[in-house]
Amino acid sequence: KNQVEQSPQSLIILEGKNCTLQCNYTVSPFSNLRWYKQDTGRGPVSLTIMTFSENTKSNGRYTATLDADTKQSSLHITASQLSDSASYICVVTSTSGTYKYIFGTGTRLKVLA
Amino acid sequence: NAGVTQTPKFQVLKTGQSMTLQCAQDMNHNSMYWYRQDPGMGLRLIYYSASEGTTDKGEVPNGYNVSRLNKREFSLRLESAAPSQTSVYFCASSERAGSLYNEQFFGPGTRLTVL
Repeated sequence: KNQVEQSPQSLIILEGKNCTLQCNYTVSPFSNLRWYKQDTGRGPVSLTIMTFSENTKSNGRYTATLDADTKQSSLHITASQLSDSASYICVVTSTSGTYKYIFGTGTRLKVLA
Repeated sequence: NAGVTQTPKFQVLKTGQSMTLQCAQDMNHNSMYWYRQDPGMGLRLIYYSASEGTTDKGEVPNGYNVSRLNKREFSLRLESAAPSQTSVYFCASSERAGSLYNEQFFGPGTRLTVL
């Protein structure tokens, strides 16, 4: 069964610190992986997309990595800010079927001053 | 350019009542989706419309119906609401469901409580 698992479920860090969120997937066949940021009370917004051939991609203070062999991805946040407090959702796209998106349950990040 | 809009933002229903959630997008996207988000679970697809005039069931379609009114609008109807349908509902759109790299753009959500 296609699944996307994220860890940790929740995380609390101090402003200015770095953190890394994990995403493991069993989706096959694999096409790409997106990280979304979801602020409280809002819809998810795409941060970055990783394709099979990409290992690392950055978007400002966000850096995503992908290891397609081990089916793992991570999202690293550098020098965290209060505005980074949100849920981060990993979504894997499969090449099979018309509808292809498999969502993880998300990691809830809280950044404290 | 508003992106994806949803109405209402909040709704409280009694068991057995019906209602329609409205969604519209102004990005000229072909594909639209309805999801529900429950605590501790990932977004789950209820229905989607790959293109105007087509709709397909997703992972959790029971108790819901949809209408793709035109290219811009995609509504979700609860005919007889049940407490199990208490959730946050998100509408999303993308350029084309068959394209692997399409980003989905989400609306702000509707928080529905069924008593």
